[in-house]
Amino acid sequence: DTGVSQDPRHKITKRGQNVTFRCDPISEHNRLYWYRQTLGQGPEFLTYFQNEAQLEKSRLLSDRFSAERPKGSFSTLEIQRTEQGDSAMYLCASSLLGTSAYNEQFFGPGTRLTVL
Amino acid sequence: DAKTTQPPSMDCAEGRAANLPCNHSTISGNEYVYWYRQIHSQGPQYIIHGLKNNETNEMASLIITEDRKSSTLILPHATLRDTAVYYCIVKVEINKFYFGSGTKLNVKP
Repeated sequence: DTGVSQDPRHKITKRGQNVTFRCDPISEHNRLYWYRQTLGQGPEFLTYFQNEAQLEKSRLLSDRFSAERPKGSFSTLEIQRTEQGDSAMYLCASSLLGTSAYNEQFFGPGTRLTVL
Repeated sequence: DAKTTQPPSMDCAEGRAANLPCNHSTISGNEYVYWYRQIHSQGPQYIIHGLKNNETNEMASLIITEDRKSSTLILPHATLRDTAVYYCIVKVEINKFYFGSGTKLNVKP
């Protein structure tokens, strides 16, 4: 399967613990995005990378959140000192930077986080 | 922000065409309209996109009004597997999608 993959698919943790999620984009894609989706809502943008550079972060991304994309391949999203409000689906997407305004993003299956 | 307005839910009979409307009255001249759908507990799946002209692919057709202030996604022969939340997206900034709440399409036998 050459699509976007995410690991783990589900994570249950206790409040105050740290969690880390991984995203493997489509291999030739140079852009990688993280979104968060709460129940009944559409996905909300968190941050994105172009190659290894993190170029934009949403104000939704508090200081407890950190994302990396070493070597411009896979990415990790870490949440420190989790809170119950962090419970959500975390989606990763990737795309290929082109010369046109068209920019289809391919999404992974998501990681569902439950904070108890 | 270029916002979109969609009905929260719609029903469609299996085998019939499903027509999902979207209003995007503040769209700018060079902004594409994208449609994605999300089946329960999965990531969003790309359906189709367009700029000015109507578009068709193997999944759906996209009709964009001449003034570009609204569009309609058409699933010509809806099946039970088309039951999903459908998002109409107008990308405001090149690196972000603003999804909104979408339309929950219920395809009924």
